Amino acid sequence: DTGVSQDPRHKITKRGQNVTFRCDPISEHNRLYWYRQTLGQGPEFLTYFQNEAQLEKSRLLSDRFSAERPKGSFSTLEIQRTEQGDSAMYLCASSLVRTGGTDTQYFGPGTRLTVL
Amino acid sequence: AQKITQTQPGMFVQEKEAVTLDCTYDTSDPSYGLFWYKQPSSGEMIFLIYQGSYDQQNATEGRYSLNFQKARKSANLVISASQLGDSAMYFCAILVPMDTGRRALTFGSGTRLQVQP
Repeated sequence: DTGVSQDPRHKITKRGQNVTFRCDPISEHNRLYWYRQTLGQGPEFLTYFQNEAQLEKSRLLSDRFSAERPKGSFSTLEIQRTEQGDSAMYLCASSLVRTGGTDTQYFGPGTRLTVL
Repeated sequence: AQKITQTQPGMFVQEKEAVTLDCTYDTSDPSYGLFWYKQPSSGEMIFLIYQGSYDQQNATEGRYSLNFQKARKSANLVISASQLGDSAMYFCAILVPMDTGRRALTFGSGTRLQVQP
């Protein structure tokens, strides 16, 4: 299966600790997105990359959050000094966007973060 | 601000019957895309169907079709011949420019569909 993969699938941490999540997009996809989903809500956009460039960041993304996509392939999302309000499902998606084409995003299984 | 509204928190349907899940949107941008995703209890978001704002015909994909009424700003998902495996959360989403001009998906709050045998 060559879909989007995320690691870890579950993470439990104590408040104040740093956590890092990894996302491997579908091969050859040039865009990579991060979303956050809390219980009972739809996903909320956090940030996205076109190849290795971070093109957009939501206002939801506080200074404690940082994302990278160093070689234009996999991406990491780091949360520093976690807070209980950071508990959520973190979803990664990728897409292949060509000029004039559609941005259909394919999602990974998500990383569920629980901050105690 | 762009907005997606799904007014049905939960829906029930009998197996083999058709069901319509409602979605309305609000955008002033003339160029946008509408998507439907399915999220089973496992958590993964599965892409179902896409409709572009300039598409003349309603999108169809197997048992899924999109009832796109541009003037009413609605993009309802129709699932025909429901199966037990269709039980899941369904999200409508719109792809529109953000403040910077770059586009991102905005999701509705979802509809939980339960298919009964």
